[in-house]
Amino acid sequence: GENVEQHPSTLSVQEGDSAVIKCTYSDSASNYFPWYKQELGKGPQLIIDIRSNVGEKKDQRIAVTLNKTAKHFSLHITETQPEDSAVYFCAASRSGGAQKLVFGQGTRLTINP
Amino acid sequence: GAVVSQHPSWVICKSGTSVKIECRSLDFQATTMFWYRQFPKQSLMLMATSNEGSKATYEQGVEKDKFLINHASLTLSTLTVTSAHPEDSSFYICSATKAGTGNYGYTFGSGTRLTVV
Repeated sequence: GENVEQHPSTLSVQEGDSAVIKCTYSDSASNYFPWYKQELGKGPQLIIDIRSNVGEKKDQRIAVTLNKTAKHFSLHITETQPEDSAVYFCAASRSGGAQKLVFGQGTRLTINP
Repeated sequence: GAVVSQHPSWVICKSGTSVKIECRSLDFQATTMFWYRQFPKQSLMLMATSNEGSKATYEQGVEKDKFLINHASLTLSTLTVTSAHPEDSSFYICSATKAGTGNYGYTFGSGTRLTVV
């Protein structure tokens, strides 16, 4: 089955700097890679996702890159703000049917003012 | 946008009793719903996958007789924790995929904090 590894487990950056979180996956058939932000006591919220037919996707300060050959994808947050502090999870799944989403271990991001 | 409502948001129950958690897709039909458990400072672990009108598929190590899942309609799935024990205390989260999206897009509920005393 799919296995998703996420690094780092904790990340502390100065406000205004960039943050990068990296994930690798094992199942070459996975073709959907979402990123979620989870605040304390809440469910995960989708912040950006990418499909395997695209190498990069950007939404304002957030971008995701995908390298299918190397089976890794990364989240990039630029111009970080205090409200970006949260736990971020990467995930991977196949498309079609009842395909389950496999999560990485999570990264606790802290933005220092 | 797609919205999933999960209730209750928190519940405290006595050891040995049963607790039911509801997951509703409010503005779309959910072909498939998933139930996750999350322990403090850990990732989400999939417990089971449920499709409307059929039996749930449980992940290895998850007791199907303890965690009863019912997916009676395209908008409602329930998770019942039977004979709850303190070790069942956790954060339970459901998610749903929209019919016809080919599983591109999982919407999550807000989670239920279960405390068994």
